[in-house]
Amino acid sequence: AQSVSQHNHHVILSEAASLELGCNYSYGGTVNLFWYVQYPGQHLQLLLKYFSGDPLVKGIKGFEAEFIKSKFSFNLRKPSVQWSDTAEYFCAVNAGDGNNRLAFGKGNQVVVIP
Amino acid sequence: DAGVTQSPTHLIKTRGQQVTLRCSPKSGHDTVSWYQQALGQGPQFIFQYYEEEERQRGNFPDRFSGHQFPNYSSELNVNALLLGDSALYLCASSLGRGLPYEQYFGPGTRLTVT
Repeated sequence: AQSVSQHNHHVILSEAASLELGCNYSYGGTVNLFWYVQYPGQHLQLLLKYFSGDPLVKGIKGFEAEFIKSKFSFNLRKPSVQWSDTAEYFCAVNAGDGNNRLAFGKGNQVVVIP
Repeated sequence: DAGVTQSPTHLIKTRGQQVTLRCSPKSGHDTVSWYQQALGQGPQFIFQYYEEEERQRGNFPDRFSGHQFPNYSSELNVNALLLGDSALYLCASSLGRGLPYEQYFGPGTRLTVT
């Protein structure tokens, strides 16, 4: 079974600061990778996804993530955060074997101070 | 275009009781997955339904069961409720089994067991 690790569960930063959230997974085969975001009072929404091709993927709201296969990592980045980026961020993985069940990390609670 | 809807929004039950949660998938989607999200944790996969059958199951006891109807909507049933079943239950829909399509999440049902 896949497992997903997210560190630094709580992150507090000021507007305009850069954000990087780490995600590591344990699965040796082909994987599909996702970052979901949950804004306060809202449901989970997809930020970005990686299935194949260019390992640097761009998502909504200026977010991007880089898949590094050798490091089993899929880190999320945003160069300059805004107060509206305050949310919980979840990394998720599914095995690229036809089963699309998602394994989630524990999430990162990000608070952006105006 | 309606997204994934779930009912009820909140539910309070007593230990030992049974509960049924409902989910309507996003229009055009035929696969429904259920997840349990405990406080401070990422969602955990319970099971997935496609063509009215349970196709995949996570590490949950038989007290958790489900159903999918011909219109693709789904129910999650939990019998003999335990305090530890208190959580947010998320429904996600996607298109097609065996394909890496993204999953769309509903707002969830908050279950409290007292």
